[in-house]
Amino acid sequence: EAGVAQSPRYKIIEKRQSVAFWCNPISGHATLYWYQQILGQGPKLLIQFQNNGVVDDSQLPKDRFSAERLKGVDSTLKIQPAKLEDSAVYLCASSRDRVETQYFGPGTRLLVL
Amino acid sequence: SQKIEQNSEALNIQEGKTATLTCNYTNYSPAYLQWYRQDPGRGPVFLLLIRENEKEKRKERLKVTFDTTLKQSLFHITASQPADSATYLCALDSTLTFGKGTMLLVSP
Repeated sequence: EAGVAQSPRYKIIEKRQSVAFWCNPISGHATLYWYQQILGQGPKLLIQFQNNGVVDDSQLPKDRFSAERLKGVDSTLKIQPAKLEDSAVYLCASSRDRVETQYFGPGTRLLVL
Repeated sequence: SQKIEQNSEALNIQEGKTATLTCNYTNYSPAYLQWYRQDPGRGPVFLLLIRENEKEKRKERLKVTFDTTLKQSLFHITASQPADSATYLCALDSTLTFGKGTMLLVSP
Protein backbone atom coordinates (compact mmCIF):
# COMPACT_ATOMS: atom_id res chain seq x y z
CA GLU A 1 0.00 0.00 0.00
CA ALA A 2 1.49 3.33 -1.04
CA GLY A 3 1.84 5.92 1.69
CA VAL A 4 0.77 9.55 1.77
CA ALA A 5 2.56 11.51 -0.94
CA GLN A 6 3.45 15.17 -0.68
CA SER A 7 5.14 17.61 -3.00
CA PRO A 8 7.28 19.53 -3.17
CA ARG A 9 9.58 18.30 -0.41
CA TYR A 10 11.29 21.65 -0.03
CA LYS A 11 10.35 25.19 -0.98
CA ILE A 12 12.11 28.51 -0.46
CA ILE A 13 10.20 31.72 -1.17
CA GLU A 14 10.36 35.36 -0.24
CA LYS A 15 7.81 36.96 2.05
CA ARG A 16 4.64 38.14 0.34
CA GLN A 17 4.99 35.47 -2.34
CA SER A 18 2.49 32.66 -2.79
CA VAL A 19 3.09 28.95 -2.40
CA ALA A 20 1.04 25.78 -2.81
CA PHE A 21 1.52 22.29 -1.44
CA TRP A 22 -0.02 19.12 -2.78
CA CYS A 23 -1.06 15.95 -0.96
CA ASN A 24 -2.22 12.57 -2.25
CA PRO A 25 -3.63 10.47 0.62
CA ILE A 26 -3.66 6.70 0.93
CA SER A 27 -6.24 5.21 -1.42
CA GLY A 28 -9.62 4.84 0.22
CA HIS A 29 -8.90 7.15 3.14
CA ALA A 30 -11.86 9.45 3.68
CA THR A 31 -10.23 11.83 6.12
CA LEU A 32 -7.36 14.16 5.26
CA TYR A 33 -5.50 16.52 7.55
CA TRP A 34 -3.03 19.37 7.08
CA TYR A 35 -0.71 20.21 9.95
CA GLN A 36 1.90 22.90 10.47
CA GLN A 37 4.97 21.89 12.47
CA ILE A 38 7.31 24.66 13.54
CA LEU A 39 10.81 23.60 14.55
CA GLY A 40 10.81 22.21 18.09
CA GLN A 41 7.02 22.02 18.30
CA GLY A 42 4.45 19.32 17.80
CA PRO A 43 2.22 19.31 14.73
CA LYS A 44 -0.62 21.83 14.85
CA LEU A 45 -3.80 20.96 12.99
CA LEU A 46 -4.72 23.50 10.32
CA ILE A 47 -7.62 21.82 8.59
CA GLN A 48 -9.41 18.48 8.51
CA PHE A 49 -11.47 17.17 5.58
CA GLN A 50 -13.97 14.33 5.56
CA ASN A 51 -14.23 13.36 1.89
CA ASN A 52 -14.45 16.78 0.24
CA GLY A 53 -16.09 18.60 3.15
CA VAL A 54 -14.33 20.61 5.85
CA VAL A 55 -14.72 19.18 9.37
CA ASP A 56 -12.49 21.60 11.28
CA ASP A 57 -10.60 24.65 10.08
CA SER A 58 -10.68 26.59 13.35
CA GLN A 59 -6.89 27.00 13.46
CA LEU A 60 -6.42 27.88 9.80
CA PRO A 61 -5.37 31.56 9.33
CA LYS A 62 -8.02 32.16 6.72
CA ASP A 63 -6.74 35.59 5.73
CA ARG A 64 -3.76 33.96 4.07
CA PHE A 65 -4.22 30.19 4.08
CA SER A 66 -6.67 28.21 2.00
CA ALA A 67 -7.13 24.52 1.31
CA GLU A 68 -9.32 22.41 -0.88
CA ARG A 69 -9.95 18.76 -1.49
CA LEU A 70 -11.71 18.46 -4.79
CA LYS A 71 -13.36 15.10 -5.52
CA GLY A 72 -12.47 13.93 -2.03
CA VAL A 73 -9.02 12.64 -2.95
CA ASP A 74 -6.03 14.96 -3.49
CA SER A 75 -5.70 18.17 -1.57
CA THR A 76 -3.83 21.45 -1.95
CA LEU A 77 -2.86 23.93 0.74
CA LYS A 78 -2.05 27.48 -0.33
CA ILE A 79 -0.45 30.39 1.45
CA GLN A 80 -0.94 33.84 -0.06
CA PRO A 81 0.89 36.02 0.88
CA ALA A 82 3.53 34.22 2.93
CA LYS A 83 5.03 35.67 6.09
CA LEU A 84 8.32 34.89 7.77
CA GLU A 85 6.51 33.06 10.58
CA ASP A 86 5.04 30.61 8.06
CA SER A 87 8.45 28.91 7.85
CA ALA A 88 7.68 25.38 9.01
CA VAL A 89 7.10 21.83 7.84
CA TYR A 90 3.64 21.26 6.41
CA LEU A 91 2.46 17.72 7.03
CA CYS A 92 -0.40 15.97 5.35
CA ALA A 93 -2.00 12.93 6.94
CA SER A 94 -4.90 10.66 6.10
CA SER A 95 -7.03 8.08 7.88
CA ARG A 96 -9.82 5.70 6.93
CA ASP A 97 -12.23 7.64 9.08
CA ARG A 98 -12.15 10.45 11.61
CA VAL A 99 -11.34 8.35 14.65
CA GLU A 100 -8.84 6.06 12.98
CA THR A 101 -5.06 6.14 13.16
CA GLN A 102 -3.46 8.80 10.99
CA TYR A 103 -0.78 8.10 8.42
CA PHE A 104 1.54 11.00 7.76
CA GLY A 105 3.37 12.01 4.63
CA PRO A 106 7.02 13.15 4.67
CA GLY A 107 6.06 16.82 4.80
CA THR A 108 7.01 19.91 2.82
CA ARG A 109 9.67 22.06 4.41
CA LEU A 110 8.95 25.74 3.72
CA LEU A 111 11.42 28.53 4.28
CA VAL A 112 10.18 32.10 3.92
CA LEU A 113 12.95 34.69 3.54
CA SER B 1 -8.79 24.83 25.98
CA GLN B 2 -6.95 21.57 26.47
CA LYS B 3 -3.24 21.59 27.05
CA ILE B 4 -0.75 18.78 26.61
CA GLU B 5 2.80 18.70 27.97
CA GLN B 6 5.74 16.42 27.39
CA ASN B 7 9.22 16.46 28.91
CA SER B 8 10.86 19.38 27.19
CA GLU B 9 14.35 18.11 27.89
CA ALA B 10 15.90 15.40 25.76
CA LEU B 11 16.18 12.03 27.45
CA ASN B 12 19.59 10.36 27.25
CA ILE B 13 19.86 6.73 28.25
CA GLN B 14 22.21 3.81 27.70
CA GLU B 15 21.41 0.93 25.44
CA GLY B 16 19.57 -1.85 27.24
CA LYS B 17 17.92 0.44 29.79
CA THR B 18 14.23 1.28 29.93
CA ALA B 19 13.21 4.70 28.65
CA THR B 20 10.18 6.35 30.22
CA LEU B 21 8.54 9.35 28.59
CA THR B 22 5.76 11.40 30.16
CA CYS B 23 2.69 13.06 28.68
CA ASN B 24 0.50 15.25 30.91
CA TYR B 25 -2.70 16.98 29.93
CA THR B 26 -5.07 19.50 31.50
CA ASN B 27 -8.56 20.90 30.97
CA TYR B 28 -9.70 17.82 29.15
CA SER B 29 -10.70 14.18 29.52
CA PRO B 30 -9.62 12.37 26.36
CA ALA B 31 -11.41 9.26 25.19
CA TYR B 32 -8.05 7.96 24.03
CA LEU B 33 -4.46 9.02 23.67
CA GLN B 34 -1.98 8.18 20.91
CA TRP B 35 1.79 7.95 20.77
CA TYR B 36 3.80 8.62 17.62
CA ARG B 37 7.46 8.42 16.69
CA GLN B 38 9.06 11.08 14.52
CA ASP B 39 12.50 10.82 12.93
CA PRO B 40 14.31 13.91 11.60
CA GLY B 41 12.95 15.03 8.24
CA ARG B 42 10.02 12.61 8.33
CA GLY B 43 6.39 12.61 9.31
CA PRO B 44 5.20 11.06 12.58
CA VAL B 45 4.54 7.32 12.62
CA PHE B 46 1.77 5.85 14.77
CA LEU B 47 2.90 3.52 17.56
CA LEU B 48 0.14 2.89 20.10
CA LEU B 49 -3.35 4.02 21.08
CA ILE B 50 -4.70 3.62 24.61
CA ARG B 51 -8.32 4.22 25.55
CA GLU B 52 -9.59 5.80 28.77
CA ASN B 53 -10.84 2.46 30.10
CA GLU B 54 -7.47 0.77 29.53
CA LYS B 55 -4.75 0.99 32.14
CA GLU B 56 -1.98 -0.42 30.02
CA LYS B 57 -1.22 -1.37 26.41
CA ARG B 58 1.77 -3.29 25.10
CA LYS B 59 3.36 -3.84 21.72
CA GLU B 60 6.65 -5.71 21.58
CA ARG B 61 9.13 -3.60 23.64
CA LEU B 62 6.68 -0.72 23.99
CA LYS B 63 4.28 -0.16 26.86
CA VAL B 64 1.86 2.70 27.42
CA THR B 65 -0.09 3.45 30.59
CA PHE B 66 -2.98 5.85 31.03
CA ASP B 67 -3.91 7.32 34.42
CA THR B 68 -7.06 9.41 34.08
CA THR B 69 -6.84 10.51 37.71
CA LEU B 70 -3.35 11.94 37.30
CA LYS B 71 -4.19 13.03 33.73
CA GLN B 72 -1.01 11.38 32.58
CA SER B 73 0.26 8.81 30.13
CA LEU B 74 3.64 7.11 30.41
CA PHE B 75 5.41 5.60 27.43
CA HIS B 76 8.06 2.95 28.12
CA ILE B 77 10.61 1.38 25.80
CA THR B 78 12.29 -1.64 27.38
CA ALA B 79 15.71 -2.93 26.34
CA SER B 80 16.26 0.30 24.42
CA GLN B 81 18.45 0.33 21.31
CA PRO B 82 20.23 3.15 19.47
CA ALA B 83 17.66 2.69 16.68
CA ASP B 84 14.99 3.86 19.16
CA SER B 85 16.53 7.34 19.11
CA ALA B 86 13.84 9.70 17.82
CA THR B 87 11.28 12.22 19.01
CA TYR B 88 8.17 10.75 20.57
CA LEU B 89 4.89 12.65 20.41
CA CYS B 90 1.66 12.12 22.29
CA ALA B 91 -1.69 13.32 20.97
CA LEU B 92 -5.13 13.74 22.56
CA ASP B 93 -7.87 11.71 20.87
CA SER B 94 -9.91 13.29 18.11
CA THR B 95 -8.93 16.83 19.14
CA LEU B 96 -5.71 16.05 17.32
CA THR B 97 -3.75 18.13 19.81
CA PHE B 98 -0.11 17.08 19.85
CA GLY B 99 2.51 17.67 22.51
CA LYS B 100 5.87 19.17 21.59
CA GLY B 101 7.48 15.76 21.79
CA THR B 102 10.40 14.37 23.76
CA MET B 103 13.67 13.57 22.04
CA LEU B 104 15.10 10.24 23.11
CA LEU B 105 18.80 9.51 22.60
CA VAL B 106 19.98 5.97 23.22
CA SER B 107 23.75 5.59 23.48
CA PRO B 108 25.50 2.32 22.61
